[in-house]
Amino acid sequence: EPEVTQTPSHQVTQMGQEVILRCVPISNHLYFYWYRQILGQKVEFLVSFYNNEISEKSEIFDDQFSVERPDGSNFTLKIRSTKLEDSAMYFCASGQGQGIFGYNEQFFGPGTRLTVL
Amino acid sequence: TQLLEQSPQFLSIQEGENLTVYCNSSSVFSSLQWYRQEPGEGPVLLVTVVTGGEVKKLKRLTFQFGDARKDSSLHITAAQPGDTGLYLCAGLMFSGGYNKLIFGAGTRLAVHP
Repeated sequence: EPEVTQTPSHQVTQMGQEVILRCVPISNHLYFYWYRQILGQKVEFLVSFYNNEISEKSEIFDDQFSVERPDGSNFTLKIRSTKLEDSAMYFCASGQGQGIFGYNEQFFGPGTRLTVL
Repeated sequence: TQLLEQSPQFLSIQEGENLTVYCNSSSVFSSLQWYRQEPGEGPVLLVTVVTGGEVKKLKRLTFQFGDARKDSSLHITAAQPGDTGLYLCAGLMFSGGYNKLIFGAGTRLAVHP
C-alpha cells in the first residue's frame, strides 16, 4: 500500500542553523501539507501546498519557514534559523482531493523529530 | 478560532469493556477524520465520516458523525489490549478554497488484560 515517507527520522541541530525536512508524498496525490506536534501537545497545521504554491498557512508558518517541491516527488520544509521552540515532530501529509464535499482524506508520514539545542 | 474538544482525555479500562470517546466543536466541518497515533509515529487514518448522522463500522469500532456535523463519537466494543493508543479526531475545515485539518488533543486509551 502506498505511503508517505519522511527523512530523516530524527534531526538534531544547533539553534540558528538551517534545517531541511524531506517528504515523499503518495505518488498520485496533488495536495501536500506540513503539520507539527510539540511534545505532549496537539497536532497543528502549518501549511498546505498545491500546484506549486502555498494555498494556506497558519500563523506559526512565519518568514523562517518555507516549502518547496523541487522535483516531481519530493516535498520539503525548510526552517531558516531554528529556535529552541521549533523542537517538535514534523509530519508531512498528502491527499487527493479538495472541495467542500467529499472525503478529502489526508495521509500522514511517520514524522521527523527535530531537536534544537 | 476553530476548536475540537475530545473527551475523556485519558481512559483506562479492562479487556472486554466497552467505551465511547467524544469529539465536540461549535464549528461545522465538511468531514471528520479519526486517527490513531502510536508514540513517535504519525497519525494513521482509521475512518472518515462526511454526512451528518453517518455511522461507520470498522470491526469493533463504530464511528458516528453528528447530525449538524459538529461532533463525532467513537465507540469500541469489547476492547482488547491491542486497542491501546492515542485516538485523535480531526475536523476538515474548508476555507479559502482549501482544506486543513483541525486536530483535537486526543484520548489516550489503555486497555489492561
